[in-house]
Amino acid sequence: GNSVTQMEGPVTLSEEAFLTINCTYTATGYPSLFWYVQYPGEGLQLLLKATKADDKGSNKGFEATYRKETTSFHLEKGSVQVSDSAVYFCALRDLYTDKLIFGTGTRLQVFP
Amino acid sequence: DGGITQSPKYLFRKEGQNVTLSCEQNLNHDAMYWYRQDPGQGLRLIYYSQIVNDFQKGDIAEGYSVSREKKESFPLTVTSAQKNPTAFYLCASSIPQTGRHTEAFFGQGTRLTVV
Repeated sequence: GNSVTQMEGPVTLSEEAFLTINCTYTATGYPSLFWYVQYPGEGLQLLLKATKADDKGSNKGFEATYRKETTSFHLEKGSVQVSDSAVYFCALRDLYTDKLIFGTGTRLQVFP
Repeated sequence: DGGITQSPKYLFRKEGQNVTLSCEQNLNHDAMYWYRQDPGQGLRLIYYSQIVNDFQKGDIAEGYSVSREKKESFPLTVTSAQKNPTAFYLCASSIPQTGRHTEAFFGQGTRLTVV
C-alpha cells in the first residue's frame, strides 16, 4: 500500500543553519505531496504542496521538489529561525481512495 | 471566517464510558477525516468520509464509530471497546481532488484523557 517515510528526529540546529528533512514515498501513480507543520498543542497547518512531478512547492522560505525518479519530497530551508521549531509532517494524498497518508513526523529544534 | 472547529479542546472521561468528539466545518468540503496522534508518533487514520451518508474505515477503526448525516459535521465516538483511547484527535476536511486543489485543512484538535 501507499506509505510515507521521513527521517527521525529530533533535528537540532542553530539559528541561520541550513535545514533538510528527508521524505520518501511509496505510491501507485503520482499522488499529491504535502508538508504540514504542527506547533505545540495545535492542529496541522499546510506548509507547502506539489501536485505533479518536478513541481516545486515553496512557502515562508521552505521549499520541496517532487522527484518522481527518487520518489522523494525533501524539505529544505536555507536559514532557519527559532520560530521554525515545530514538528514537520510529510504526507501524500492517494489518487484513488482520497486517503491522506502521513509520515511519522520530524521534530525540529532551533536554538539561538 | 471559514474553518474547521473541533470541540472541546480538552476532554476527560472515565474508563468504560463512550465519548463523542465534535468536528464541524463551514468550508463546504465533501471529504472529512479523523486521525489519532500519540506522542512521538505520526497521524493514524481512523475513519474518513468522501460524501454525506458514506464513510470508510481507516487503519485503526476498531473501537471507534462515526456518522456523516450532514456535510458540515463528522462526529467521532470513542467507545468503551477502544483499549487505549487517551490521545490527541485531529479532524480534517478537503474538497475532492481537482487539479491543484488537493490539500486538507485541520482543526485544532481534541485532547482526550481517559482516567
